[in-house]
Amino acid sequence: DIQMTQSPSTLSASVGDRVTLTCRASQSISSWLAWYQQKPGKAPKLLIYKASSLESGVPSRFSGSGSGTEFTLTISSLQPDDFATYYCQQYNSYLSFGQGTKVEIK
Amino acid sequence: QVQLQESGPGLVKPSETLSLTCTVSGGSISGYYWGWIRQPPGKGLEWIAYIYSSGSTSYNPSLKSRVTISVDTSKNQFSLKVNSVTAADTAVYYCARLGGCTGGSCSVAPFDPWGQGTLVSVSS
Repeated sequence: DIQMTQSPSTLSASVGDRVTLTCRASQSISSWLAWYQQKPGKAPKLLIYKASSLESGVPSRFSGSGSGTEFTLTISSLQPDDFATYYCQQYNSYLSFGQGTKVEIK
Repeated sequence: QVQLQESGPGLVKPSETLSLTCTVSGGSISGYYWGWIRQPPGKGLEWIAYIYSSGSTSYNPSLKSRVTISVDTSKNQFSLKVNSVTAADTAVYYCARLGGCTGGSCSVAPFDPWGQGTLVSVSS
């Protein structure tokens, strides 16, 4: 099984900050990685697929990078609507999610 | 646009079988992969299983012995059964689409769209 590890577990930031979330895979997954945003009581929303492709309708302040085992999600200027929990998910071999990073207001 | 809706009992007794159905509207279930994900209260996401519209399946190895996923293309629905449930199976269960076939090439993709989720509690 491929294990996905996200860091940090919680990130405190302010509106306007540039924030970077990290996701590591226990073995290479090429670029088969997605990022989701989840708000309380809601289903996750797809933000990024294939490590760096922005899903239609997602603001351009979100960007993804990486390949192999190390990936990042960057929010260039944090907006009030961005405070949420973010999950990475690999779809190279079976499917698995990271444990999530909660982005909270500083 | 495609919409998904989970349905099923909100309360299941320990040792019994949890059964959920996902109804797809706004598009055909044929030609796509469909899956189930769950999220225990306050915890992260766990993939359970997925199925292609033809019936081929893939299961999370950690749940495979207790889980069955099936599809009914005539009803535009797919379903999940989890046997011998315990309190650890208490979660919000989501259904979602994940990829399909284009030009004869089929591939799994990230989950999108998702249903709204349904809370299933396991308790006597």
